[in-house]
Amino acid sequence: SQKIEQNSEALNIQEGKTATLTCNYTNYSPAYLQWYRQDPGRGPVFLLLIRENEKEKRKERLKVTFDTTLKQSLFHITASQPADSATYLCALDLYNQGGKLIFGQGTELSVKP
Amino acid sequence: GAGVSQSPRYKVAKRGQDVALRCDPISGHVSLFWYQQALGQGPEFLTYFQNEAQLDKSGLPSDRFFAERPEGSVSTLKIQRTQQEDSAVYLCASSLPFRETGTDTQYFGPGTRLTVL
Repeated sequence: SQKIEQNSEALNIQEGKTATLTCNYTNYSPAYLQWYRQDPGRGPVFLLLIRENEKEKRKERLKVTFDTTLKQSLFHITASQPADSATYLCALDLYNQGGKLIFGQGTELSVKP
Repeated sequence: GAGVSQSPRYKVAKRGQDVALRCDPISGHVSLFWYQQALGQGPEFLTYFQNEAQLDKSGLPSDRFFAERPEGSVSTLKIQRTQQEDSAVYLCASSLPFRETGTDTQYFGPGTRLTVL
């Protein structure tokens, strides 16, 4: 069966540390993998996209890796801040599906001062 | 510029009532998506429009769910004879065509929280 799974437990880290979130999938062949941030009561906000032929993508304090052999993406936030506390969603963007996204269940990140 | 807006933000319905949820996408965005998000879960795809054409409705859970986008801009998601299991947040997203941006990055609205009693 097809599955996409993120860290099941909430992630609690200290300010200044690096947060690492995991996204694993089975039986999908995505063209892209996207990461979104969602705050309570709000819609998801796009953060980063990585293509299937890319290994790594960076944007400011964010880094995403994509291993299509392991079927895994890692999302890193370096020098984390309390303002980074939110739920982070990974989403698969499949070929020829019109752009519809298949989301993981999300990982809740809490950064303590 | 304005983002994606949705109305109402909150809707309480009695079981069996019909509801209509509205989405105003970003101006010029050709693609429009509806997702359903249960508490503690990620969004799940419901349906997708390109302009006024509904190209994929494979995620609609039953024939009680109906979506339209008659003029290729505003979209309405209608749920007939609501059931308690329909309680969720309904998210709308819009995007530019892939050929213009090379990606399918979606811009989400704040969602409509539907509670069916």
